[in-house]
Amino acid sequence: AQTVTQSQPEMSVQEAETVTLSCTYDTSESDYYLFWYKQPPSRQMILVIRQEAYKQQNATENRFSVNFQKAAKSFSLKISDSQLGDAAMYFCAYRSPSGNTPLVFGKGTRLSVIA
Amino acid sequence: KAGVTQTPRYLIKTRGQQVTLSCSPISGHRSVSWYQQTPGQGLQFLFEYFSETQRNKGNFPGRFSGRQFSNSRSEMNVSTLELGDSALYLCASSLGPTLERGTQYFGPGTRLTVL
Repeated sequence: AQTVTQSQPEMSVQEAETVTLSCTYDTSESDYYLFWYKQPPSRQMILVIRQEAYKQQNATENRFSVNFQKAAKSFSLKISDSQLGDAAMYFCAYRSPSGNTPLVFGKGTRLSVIA
Repeated sequence: KAGVTQTPRYLIKTRGQQVTLSCSPISGHRSVSWYQQTPGQGLQFLFEYFSETQRNKGNFPGRFSGRQFSNSRSEMNVSTLELGDSALYLCASSLGPTLERGTQYFGPGTRLTVL
């Protein structure tokens, strides 16, 4: 079974600085999708970014980018120019190519942004 | 396009009662997944439906059940509520269950409190 590990339960960053959240996963599959979701205090889970495993190019969405290292099974999220609104729980998730397996989540990293 | 909607947003029940939660997916989405989120256990998968069929089920007791209607709306039911069922219940929708169509978008959740 696939597992997703987020080794940093909490992190903090100064406003306007850059922070990187770590995620590793375990799988024997060659094709899959990886996601970062953000859950602010309002509790709504918001999709931040998606990476297809067959794509070598790292995904980017505005201030959010990933460093996808397939061989190392690592999928880190970099947030540039951090803003107060970035404060949230961030979850890394794995989706198998099999349609019969659910999205697998890590335990999350709580990010604080310091003004 | 409207996002995933969940009703009610908050519920307070007593032990032994039953509860029904509702989820309306994004227009055009045919897959609906349910998750339970608690501080102790994190995000746990409940079930996934596609075209009115349950495709996958998590490791929850039979008190937890769900269904999907022909318009893709979904409901989940919890019977004989226990204190431990207090949680945020999240619904997510996607175009379909395959990898390419399986990116999940979440609703705001239903906060269930069991007294």
